Amino acid sequence: AQSVTQLGSHVSVSEGALVLLRCNYSSSVPPYLFWYVQYPNQGLQLLLKYTSAATLVKGINGFEAEFKKSETSFHLTKPSAHMSDAAEYFCAVRVTSGNTPLVFGKGTRLSVIA
Amino acid sequence: EPEVTQTPSHQVTQMGQEVILRCVPISNHLYFYWYRQILGQKVEFLVSFYNNEISEKSEIFDDQFSVERPDGSNFTLKIRSTKLEDSAMYFCASSEDQGTNEKLFFGSGTQLSVL
Repeated sequence: AQSVTQLGSHVSVSEGALVLLRCNYSSSVPPYLFWYVQYPNQGLQLLLKYTSAATLVKGINGFEAEFKKSETSFHLTKPSAHMSDAAEYFCAVRVTSGNTPLVFGKGTRLSVIA
Repeated sequence: EPEVTQTPSHQVTQMGQEVILRCVPISNHLYFYWYRQILGQKVEFLVSFYNNEISEKSEIFDDQFSVERPDGSNFTLKIRSTKLEDSAMYFCASSEDQGTNEKLFFGSGTQLSVL
């Protein structure tokens, strides 16, 4: 069965600093990988997804993630944090075959300090 | 942008009572989902629904749970006899497609508190 592990339940960065949110996956078959963001009092919103095309995936709001099969990782990065990036971020995996649901990680809360 | 709407935003109920959580998916979407998140834990899959039937369900989705699309627009989750451990944030989601083009749109959730 597939799973994801997000390292760090809470990450705090200064405004303008690099954002790095870590996600490692486990899957016996090629996965689809996703990052979702949840702003306060809102639903989860898709940031970006990897579906076996380019390994470096660019998403909304300046975020990107790189699929590294050798490291089973899909870390989310942004070169320069903005106050508006403060939110909960979820990594998720789904296998590419069959009608299987998304499996989410526990989430990482990002705080941005002025 | 179109959105998934969920009502109510908060629901408080007594243990043993029935609750119905309501969702209006995006109108041209075909795949519907319920997820939940217990405080401090992972977002967990409950059930997926396509073509008026359940296509996948998790171990959590036992006989106490049911889903329905009664009128072609609403998508409801019913818990027949709530337990304390059902307290969680419940998210509805919908998508137009699956596979490579899949993009789930989530509602803002219903916080269920079972007392």
